[in-house]
Amino acid sequence: KQEVTQIPAALSVPEGENLVLNCSFTDSAIYNLQWFRQDPGKGLTSLLLIQSSQREQTSGRLNASLDKSSGRSTLYIAASQPGDSATYLCACNDYKLSFGAGTTVTVRA
Amino acid sequence: DTGVSQDPRHKITKRGQNVTFRCDPISEHNRLYWYRQTLGQGPEFLTYFQNEAQLEKSRLLSDRFSAERPKGSFSTLEIQRTEQGDSAMYLCASSSWTSGGAVSSETQYFGPGTRLLVL
Repeated sequence: KQEVTQIPAALSVPEGENLVLNCSFTDSAIYNLQWFRQDPGKGLTSLLLIQSSQREQTSGRLNASLDKSSGRSTLYIAASQPGDSATYLCACNDYKLSFGAGTTVTVRA
Repeated sequence: DTGVSQDPRHKITKRGQNVTFRCDPISEHNRLYWYRQTLGQGPEFLTYFQNEAQLEKSRLLSDRFSAERPKGSFSTLEIQRTEQGDSAMYLCASSSWTSGGAVSSETQYFGPGTRLLVL
């Protein structure tokens, strides 16, 4: 059974600082890994998808890396803004998604 | 561009009542998933369909839960004899799956969820 862990559980930074969110997983037999954003009481918005054969994926200020051999992924958010405040979830896809508990980010103006 | 929609968005019910949720996937998507999310946790897989066939059910899905996807379009999730422990956000997702295709790029798109509170 896939176990996904996200560290830290919460993070508070001043505006402009770069964010580093970590995700680890136990089973490397995945098709891809997705990072999602969730605002309080809302559904999930897909941010980035990294295919199993890829090492990195970028979208704007977001960059995600994947190291399947060590079971790790990292999401980097450059130059954080108050609008980045949300919970960030990583999910491993082996036809169904296995999620971590998320990292709740607060960006202080 | 119509995304995944869910109805209702919120449901309050008394313990022992039955409830039914609906999910309308993105129109060309052949796979539909149900997940449940409790406070402070990530979503947990419940079940999924490929077209109208239900291919897997999680052990989380007790016999009080049933899901259908008639004609491979919308799906319903019914909970019978609700319990307080059923209080959660129920999320639906859909994707386009092609056998032998680029499964590594399969992306699941989520709806806004149905928040259930059982009193």
